[in-house]
Amino acid sequence: QSVLTQPPSVSGAPGQRVTISCTGSSSNIGAGYDVHWYQQLPGTAPKLLIYGNSNRPSGVPDRFSGSKSGTSASLAITGLQAEDEADYYCQSYDSSLSGSRVFGTGTKVTVL
Amino acid sequence: QVQLVQSGAEVKKPGASVKVSCKASGYTFTSYYMHWVRQAPGQGLEWMGIINPSGGSTSYAQKFQGRVTMTRDTSTSTVYMELSSLRSEDTAVYYCASSGYYYGHFQHWGQGTLVTVSS
Repeated sequence: QSVLTQPPSVSGAPGQRVTISCTGSSSNIGAGYDVHWYQQLPGTAPKLLIYGNSNRPSGVPDRFSGSKSGTSASLAITGLQAEDEADYYCQSYDSSLSGSRVFGTGTKVTVL
Repeated sequence: QVQLVQSGAEVKKPGASVKVSCKASGYTFTSYYMHWVRQAPGQGLEWMGIINPSGGSTSYAQKFQGRVTMTRDTSTSTVYMELSSLRSEDTAVYYCASSGYYYGHFQHWGQGTLVTVSS
């Protein structure tokens, strides 16, 4: 049972900008814990996309950006490309669940 | 470069146990925490627990308390995840993933191990 809520799907044409929301509560995102984002291409392991709310690991294009405010976080993809079609998950820490790391429900990005 | 290589797919009967391994290379094994995350078919990601390879201490998600055991072998830079009393709902791909600090992000991931529970 995910405690971080994401939209099931978002879509956009190549070149467009899409955003994915991640809504939590006062025991996770709202408590100040960092949010991280992962990209999972079909049939592969997740890959770190954004860490510490807004930081990109080496090799991740600057088309991907993250932000956090209050009890929510967002991932934005600008200049959408066909290879961005994947599942995206947010992740944080929840203090009410005995030291549990929690994931979002996941969002499927479709490039039209 | 950092690599996490997991053991191969398993098929188990309900009630049995499974032990999945994750061999690390390309970094100092005891410097990074290791987590286990699973993904049921067509479903999202679920965190199972964490092990500190340095001292072997563990912390498990409440859902798996009493059924999961995470261990490590520093001589081979390998961590293990054993799940007991398997049921059909445990059919999933199991991933190991490393983090640089206790509350940190999952920096590197193994390729995943499919565990199928079927009679």
